[in-house]
Amino acid sequence: QSALTQPASVSGSPGQSITISCSGTSSDVGAYNYVSWYQHHPGKAPKLIISDVSNRPSGVSDRFSGSKSGNTASLTISGLQAEDEADYYCNSYTNTNTPYVFGTGTKVTVL
Amino acid sequence: MQLVESGGGLVQPGGSLTLSCAASGFTFSSHWIHWVRQAPGKGLVWFSRINTDATTTNYADSVRGRFTISRDNAKNTVYLQMNSLRAEDTAVYYCARGRFLAYGMDVWGQGTTVTVS
Repeated sequence: QSALTQPASVSGSPGQSITISCSGTSSDVGAYNYVSWYQHHPGKAPKLIISDVSNRPSGVSDRFSGSKSGNTASLTISGLQAEDEADYYCNSYTNTNTPYVFGTGTKVTVL
Repeated sequence: MQLVESGGGLVQPGGSLTLSCAASGFTFSSHWIHWVRQAPGKGLVWFSRINTDATTTNYADSVRGRFTISRDNAKNTVYLQMNSLRAEDTAVYYCARGRFLAYGMDVWGQGTTVTVS
């Protein structure tokens, strides 16, 4: 099971919106509405920010939103803030013998 | 709600190590528990999970046959027995709680470092 494909880096200015793509296959992203997104500041515990493609857990800012089309999921961060600078990972359930797979990760830089 | 990993350290190739993941602040026996690792300079990689009553376990190909996940609900703890360790197992190891009736891992530990050298 190969990692889902994400852009290595995305950047934006404060207040702007950015979108991170997560490309998979019909065996993972395209097979189920089981995609989650995580924010990871180095040295800290990862944080769940989106579950089930587009649901925000309680306490997560509404500046984060998720969507999916076919085999590609997307995370949009609107109103970019300095504290959003972190690594972001998508994750999907799969129908292979490895039930979960993460994306390759995207480093978000706030200019 | 908290998960705390322990047991990491330096081990020689071919050696063994057991990690623990201690839970507090929630009904431990109601949640699947996952292990995720991050090698230096690399991304997050899922590699194991265990269901609520330990009747179902899953592994990634990279660790299957070498690692064993288990749990003791009376002690609110999940264990990861790691055998035949390789240099490529060097990573920060995180345990994470599976969401109840939803997808995703919503509580994570701070991680414990395993170095195989």
